Amino acid sequence: DARVTQTPRHKVTEMGQEVTMRCQPILGHNTVFWYRQTMMQGLELLAYFRNRAPLDDSGMPKDRFSAEMPDATLATLKIQPSEPRDSAVYFCASGLVQNTEAFFGQGTRLTVV
Amino acid sequence: GENVEQHPSTLSVQEGDSAVIKCTYSDSASNYFPWYKQELGKRPQLIIDIRSNVGEKKDQRIAVTLNKTAKHFSLHITETQPEDSAVYFCAASKKGRYSTLTFGKGTMLLVSP
Repeated sequence: DARVTQTPRHKVTEMGQEVTMRCQPILGHNTVFWYRQTMMQGLELLAYFRNRAPLDDSGMPKDRFSAEMPDATLATLKIQPSEPRDSAVYFCASGLVQNTEAFFGQGTRLTVV
Repeated sequence: GENVEQHPSTLSVQEGDSAVIKCTYSDSASNYFPWYKQELGKRPQLIIDIRSNVGEKKDQRIAVTLNKTAKHFSLHITETQPEDSAVYFCAASKKGRYSTLTFGKGTMLLVSP
């Protein structure tokens, strides 16, 4: 049963620290999304990759967030420095092709104190 | 970009009743409309989707209808059961290199026994 894998599942960190979240998309999927989920804003798109190329990161605060895909099996989302308002659940999702079902990982619950 | 509005934000029904969740979208080029169910603490998972070349799709107790002219689509759940209690998200996307999934803010459905 192929699944998107995210690590860590939970992260508590102090304000100002760097946070790195990792995602292993389903093998063969060529689209990868990073979403942030909060009660107020729902699922917000942070970044979108297709064939490892970043195509949309307009939803991401550029001064502190960065997203990369160093290879086809790993996507990373980094926050530096982290702030309390970054506390949320961060989901990675992957898809076989564009405009079809996106498969979500279990998410990383981030708490910044 | 695409904007997806979802209503209601919360919905309480008695077991056995029907539930209807409605979404509108802004981009007339959108042609793929999935619905995701997210149980508490879990990942969003696809439950049904529809493409713009059909007006209705059914899968057992759930159905989705699409009105392209009015740019709205709805999720219908019949004979609701307590295990249907979850947050439901609608989404929209279109073909194109920069196509991404834009989500509504979600509907919390509570089915009381």
